[in-house]
Amino acid sequence: NAGVTQTPKFQVLKTGQSMTLQCAQDMNHNSMYWYRQDPGMGLRLIYYSASEGTTDKGEVPNGYNVSRLNKREFSLRLESAAPSQTSVYFCASSEEAGQFEKLFFGSGTQLSVL
Amino acid sequence: AQTVTQSQPEMSVQEAETVTLSCTYDTSENNYYLFWYKQPPSRQMILVIRQEAYKQQNATENRFSVNFQKAAKSFSLKISDSQLGDTAMYFCAFMRAGGTSYGKLTFGQGTILTVHP
Repeated sequence: NAGVTQTPKFQVLKTGQSMTLQCAQDMNHNSMYWYRQDPGMGLRLIYYSASEGTTDKGEVPNGYNVSRLNKREFSLRLESAAPSQTSVYFCASSEEAGQFEKLFFGSGTQLSVL
Repeated sequence: AQTVTQSQPEMSVQEAETVTLSCTYDTSENNYYLFWYKQPPSRQMILVIRQEAYKQQNATENRFSVNFQKAAKSFSLKISDSQLGDTAMYFCAFMRAGGTSYGKLTFGQGTILTVHP
């Protein structure tokens, strides 16, 4: 089982460039999430999608956009990258909202913005 | 808003010994869940153990157990018979229960645990 797959694993951008982080899950989960992890800090929620067709802001949404393309895929876009967005990005998925959930995480994307 | 605090940036333990990682949290909620996640050098986030706030009994998973003190808002993780593979960053996390709160975790800063042979 692949679980949650993120691409790419590493990326270096210049300030002002744009890019999309891809995430796909094969567990038929309804809910998907994007977190970022900065050095010395725990993960913080950027955006989430409780179900296909819905997206909502998390704790740190500024500078990001998301698309829930279908039930499997949830992408995160940086329109104009800034050095403050240098971080490790994690995608996660979980079972249907309203029930107790266990999160399944991808292996992360290390993003550096120069 | 909830906050989670891990006051031990780093801990070390000898193989086969026991170590306890501390976590405190602040919330006005009555129904919630608490978690410990392990992050080895591979970066993968692995769920170690979880506790439902409404349960008085402390959760256990093999060598891992928690001491959940709801009134004190404390949630410590005890690792018994430590193994070299336990070396990792450990995160305490909080999740409100109900509605659209599922999956929305608040994490502590993490504790780096090193197990020495």
